[in-house]
Amino acid sequence: EAGVVQSPRYKIIEKKQPVAFWCNPISGHNTLYWYLQNLGQGPELLIRYENEEAVDDSQLPKDRFSAERLKGVDSTLKIQPAELGDSAVYLCASSLGFFQTQYFGPGTRLLVL
Amino acid sequence: DQQVKQNSPSLSVQEGRISILNCDYTNSMFDYFLWYKKYPAEGPTFLISISSIKDKNEDGRFTVFLNKSAKHLSLHIVPSQPGDSAVYFCAASRGDKLIFGTGTRLQVFP
Repeated sequence: EAGVVQSPRYKIIEKKQPVAFWCNPISGHNTLYWYLQNLGQGPELLIRYENEEAVDDSQLPKDRFSAERLKGVDSTLKIQPAELGDSAVYLCASSLGFFQTQYFGPGTRLLVL
Repeated sequence: DQQVKQNSPSLSVQEGRISILNCDYTNSMFDYFLWYKKYPAEGPTFLISISSIKDKNEDGRFTVFLNKSAKHLSLHIVPSQPGDSAVYFCAASRGDKLIFGTGTRLQVFP
């Protein structure tokens, strides 16, 4: 069974540019999460989806970050415009449902210059 | 405020010996605890978990102990193997989200 797929794996952009990350969860997983992991830190939740609905986006900086999960499967996370402090690893995870084990993708490593 | 703390950034253990990774938490409302393992350039992988109603859970070489009065949990790996070298994150849940610690890098040397 395929795991969580993320692309791109690495992205280098200049500050003020837009960037988008894509995630394809494990088939059948209704819950999808986006996490931010800064260097030397643990993952921090940005947003959680139950199917198409964003049920927890309290930690998402809405002035520059947006996310969508059309059709309740794939999801994209966008930053516009990117700032130097956004350099981090962006992880996507999925689970069969809330309270179920989360399975993580390999992450997208973003470097903002 | 760091609700889940892993105070040892790194640990080095000889192959065959026991590895003990520690984690402390501050929120007594956490009801579920997990350990994740992370290799470089990969996402975290679920390893083992424990409910707050238990004090021990074992899975092969991995055992997690929970001391609720001390708000402390630990992961024991016996015997340690070179393939166990990775970063280990503990995480705690209070029902709505996972709170991760900062991780401990374990190195198992021959």
